[in-house]
Amino acid sequence: DSGVTQTPKHLITATGQRVTLRCSPRSGDLSVYWYQQSLDQGLQFLIQYYNGEERAKGNILERFSAQQFPDLHSELNLSSLELGDSALYFCASSPTGVGNTGELFFGEGSRLTVL
Amino acid sequence: AQKVTQAQTEISVVEKEDVTLDCVYETRDTTYYLFWYKQPPSGELVFLIRRNSFDEQNEISGRYSWNFQKSTSSFNFTITASQVVDSAVYFCALVQGGSEKLVFGKGTKLTVNP
Repeated sequence: DSGVTQTPKHLITATGQRVTLRCSPRSGDLSVYWYQQSLDQGLQFLIQYYNGEERAKGNILERFSAQQFPDLHSELNLSSLELGDSALYFCASSPTGVGNTGELFFGEGSRLTVL
Repeated sequence: AQKVTQAQTEISVVEKEDVTLDCVYETRDTTYYLFWYKQPPSGELVFLIRRNSFDEQNEISGRYSWNFQKSTSSFNFTITASQVVDSAVYFCALVQGGSEKLVFGKGTKLTVNP
């Protein structure tokens, strides 16, 4: 158990809909990351927050947004869903940052299926 | 730009065999960090090791060992006396110092047969 909690574990929805994925980082970790894993693209970095502020952005679509709240939990919002958004979405956390001295610990992922 | 190449898409071995998973990386930075993660069939990503670019010492942890060679830009992972529970997809990843964008390879699927 990494200590990173993600909900829901599985989600099935229809095209055009909007969903919210939630992540609680490990206790004490200030950095939260979101990754998308799909068969064709592999593991792709989406976005990172540090103590409530956006710090780094990767290949995140404009239809997607995220935020980190004062209690450090984070939410990833996916809107106008398309079939191609079906993927496993991982949240990860780090005490400082993965590019410094921090390690990166992943949750179990939220599997999104868009029908 | 950073890039991680795991040329072996799938490997199949018989239990107790040794197996090496290859990882070749590209970066222009002198400070960077390399990682290995394991993704078992259940789907979670399990952290195995992090190594910084200034530490080329090989590391051993039980049946796992890692060989970091800057001269060949490789960070290979060896499992000794493989077990069925080692069956998983293994990812190598790289991040530049000061960056937050961890770049993953495509992964190597290891199947250990009894």
